Amino acid sequence: DAKTTQPNSMESNEEEPVHLPCNHSTISGTDYIHWYRQLPSQGPEYVIHGLTSNVNNRMASLAIAEDRKSSTLILHRATLRDAAVYYCILRDVGWAYGGSQGNLIFGKGTKLSVKP
Amino acid sequence: NAGVMQNPRHLVRRRGQEARLRCSPMKGHSHVYWYRQLPEEGLKFMVYLQKENIIDESGMPKERFSAEFPKEGPSILRIQQVVRGDSAAYFCASSPSGSGSDEQYFGPGTRLTVT
Repeated sequence: DAKTTQPNSMESNEEEPVHLPCNHSTISGTDYIHWYRQLPSQGPEYVIHGLTSNVNNRMASLAIAEDRKSSTLILHRATLRDAAVYYCILRDVGWAYGGSQGNLIFGKGTKLSVKP
Repeated sequence: NAGVMQNPRHLVRRRGQEARLRCSPMKGHSHVYWYRQLPEEGLKFMVYLQKENIIDESGMPKERFSAEFPKEGPSILRIQQVVRGDSAAYFCASSPSGSGSDEQYFGPGTRLTVT
């Protein structure tokens, strides 16, 4: 899987939007962009993923740059419960057909703090 | 639909004992992954299994560690002759396939403490 770069930490105020950036300049055409988060003392939790188009779900939005070399996870209204480490991970869609490995490769992620 | 279940949630073993960690994937998922998180460190992949097959064990230590996912029953991660360095949180995840377009669903983890 290609490498991603994220800021080590970010701060946000409660009820304000949060934009978490991720750079992935060596992304390949078959790499999906996945976001997971890990709350303190819990297992990782899937947030969102996409390939080329922007994606929305009940948790967040994913904005993908036109050249796909970067993406941004958007939390529309941060809550205290959103304080976690957020991981941006690339996964090759072609694994099942002989591509790269199926496992997730976690980097250091971005530690998001939310202030009341 | 129950999520990924792991048990026990906490496990204490003395040095030299065996540890058995169990993972029941989400209903309908036949792909299981094990990850380890050492204290103050990131998550590291250990092994990827599909029913009755080990697909990728490139992250497994060469000795003392083994994993299985039988046709019936949960996936088991087994650590023989545990040492203090094995103390960590062990997470299991499942997915319906191994495709990069699938999300993985994680269990709550087993926290192993070796005394």
